[in-house]
Amino acid sequence: NAGVTQTPKFQVLKTGQSMTLQCAQDMNHNSMYWYRQDPGMGLRLIYYSASEGTTDKGEVPNGYNVSRLNKREFSLRLESAAPSQTSVYFCASSENRKASIYNEQFFGPGTRLTVL
Amino acid sequence: KNEVEQSPQNLTAQEGEFITINCSYSVGISALHWLQQHPGGGIVSLFMLSSGKKKHGRLIATINIQEKHSSLHITASHPRDSAVYICAASGGGADGLTFGKGTHLIIQP
Repeated sequence: NAGVTQTPKFQVLKTGQSMTLQCAQDMNHNSMYWYRQDPGMGLRLIYYSASEGTTDKGEVPNGYNVSRLNKREFSLRLESAAPSQTSVYFCASSENRKASIYNEQFFGPGTRLTVL
Repeated sequence: KNEVEQSPQNLTAQEGEFITINCSYSVGISALHWLQQHPGGGIVSLFMLSSGKKKHGRLIATINIQEKHSSLHITASHPRDSAVYICAASGGGADGLTFGKGTHLIIQP
């Protein structure tokens, strides 16, 4: 099993360009998440999808859109990139069974994005 | 909104020393997570706990629900333990984690 995969690993954009970050998991997890990691700020939740067909905003959703394409895939789109979106982006997934309060999260390797 | 604070921010120690990293949070949680991130690397879950203590090899995690405090201990530290250690709180359900800013640990040989 590959776990959580992300593409691309690195990306450089110019201000105003758009792009989509891809994330897929092969663990049959219900919930998926997008986080960004910035120096001095730690990790922050951008959007999440509790289950297939649902998405919700996290702490820092402005400037982003998401799509839960199916149970496996959860993409993050930057419509008009800004330098403030320079960051490392992590996708994560968890089983999130209702019967359990334990929702270990499994992280992808990250995408390092620079917006010039 | 839960506030998660970690201390210390940076820690340098000699190989073999006993290491303690602390984490406090402001509101009740369903579970407290400890994560490890090596330089330039991905994020790995070390522990997830809601009460008591868990041990895995040389790593021990404890939590005191009443005091809203958790600690991560490393016994007989080794240079390969050098990494950023992050604590994170989950409130239950699928709402995602709230993270501390991490503790940058360096173990010198």
